[in-house]
Amino acid sequence: EVQLVESGGGLVQPGGSLRLSCADSGFTFSIHWMSWVRQAPGKGLEWVANIKQDGSEKYYVDSVKGRFTISRDNAKNSLYLQMNSLRAEDTAIYYCARCHSSSWYHDYWGQGTLVTVSS
Amino acid sequence: SYELTQPPSVSVSPGQTASITCSGDRLGDKYACWYQQKPGQSPVLVIYQDNKRPSGIPERFSGSNSGNTATLTISGTQAMDEADYYCQAWDSSTAIFGGGTKLTVL
Repeated sequence: EVQLVESGGGLVQPGGSLRLSCADSGFTFSIHWMSWVRQAPGKGLEWVANIKQDGSEKYYVDSVKGRFTISRDNAKNSLYLQMNSLRAEDTAIYYCARCHSSSWYHDYWGQGTLVTVSS
Repeated sequence: SYELTQPPSVSVSPGQTASITCSGDRLGDKYACWYQQKPGQSPVLVIYQDNKRPSGIPERFSGSNSGNTATLTISGTQAMDEADYYCQAWDSSTAIFGGGTKLTVL
């Protein structure tokens, strides 16, 4: 059974940092692109970043470029999101999702971890 | 930047057919997929590659994509289908989501 389990969310002050993790099991992690997608309270889904199987390609939504870094450790079947210079508008549930690169859809999602940026 | 537009809400009576549209410039040239999200839950893929259903998704869910519009169709809508639905496509190596449509079954 495919499982994606996020962790690392919490309350952080504006300007602070947080590192999210996503532990994956039940599939061959190293052959899949992976994404982070977020959802602000009461709002829609927003793609944040994705990373190629070997980590050689990474893409970000404009609003997080230069502040967030996506990475992965295939030996640990884990995906990460380092978030720096956090802003109130980054407050959201952050989901990790497996990306199927044949036609670019997200077929499995984690349960999400809540990040709250507030003083 | 590329945008996908969905109607904020759609209402349907039980047993009837619900259609949710997703519009974007030449969307038909890209693959579209759809997610269902119920309150407090993670999104679930219901249609991928324009019109394919993942294992476990009921046959009443179908999709199409042509021109500038992708459409999610739910035939014989059931109360359990009440949820938010999001379309998604890719453009220039980035994923784009539509704003979401709240489907009400009443």
